[in-house]
Amino acid sequence: QSVLTQPPSVSGAPGQRVTISCTGSSSNIGAGYDVHWYQQFPGTAPKALIYGNSNRPSGVPDRFSGSKSGTSASLAITGLQAEDEADYYCQSYDSSLSASGDVVFGGGTKVTVL
Amino acid sequence: QLQLQESGPGLVKPSETLSLTCTVSGGSISNSRYYWGWIRQPPGKGLEWIGTIYYTGSTYYNPSLKSRVTMSLDTSKNQFSLKMSSMTAADTTVYYCARLRSGNYYEPYSFDSWGQGILVTVSS
Repeated sequence: QSVLTQPPSVSGAPGQRVTISCTGSSSNIGAGYDVHWYQQFPGTAPKALIYGNSNRPSGVPDRFSGSKSGTSASLAITGLQAEDEADYYCQSYDSSLSASGDVVFGGGTKVTVL
Repeated sequence: QLQLQESGPGLVKPSETLSLTCTVSGGSISNSRYYWGWIRQPPGKGLEWIGTIYYTGSTYYNPSLKSRVTMSLDTSKNQFSLKMSSMTAADTTVYYCARLRSGNYYEPYSFDSWGQGILVTVSS
């Protein structure tokens, strides 16, 4: 059971907009910790997609966007493309066991392009 | 360009201690702007944070693994390492090393670069 909750899967047709939710609690996202997102293709390492809730690293297409509100965050993919089919993970910190905050991940969401 | 490369045994016997090393090239592990971490991922499952280390030697471990994990740095070789004791079949997974950028207050923040990962199997 992950500390951050993501839907196991989402799907959409090419060109559509899909969103992935990342739900936390008052000890992680709700405590003010930022949310980061990673994209992972089968058999490869995760890659940074969004950091600091809504910032894209250099080279990440602007069809990827992130937001955070309260105890949740969301990743949106607009203009879905076949190459976006991958697993997506959210990450934040949680202070329920450590004052310094422990790294926590969501369980991951598989995006399927129909 | 930063590169991270995990190395270590692909097979470990139950109850033994796993030792993995991450060699960093294209950047210094002594850079105060970054932290260094280990993450693991069982085949077909999600990511699990193992621990993080700073150039000062300060460490942060996953509470669920803390009793079994030790991380260290070798600045002369630009490497950092993971030791995990009392390995069981449940520890069979891909282990990644990664760099974390620091936040506004030099706290560990987000993972910005990952190694390719190394599959470790625990079996007799």
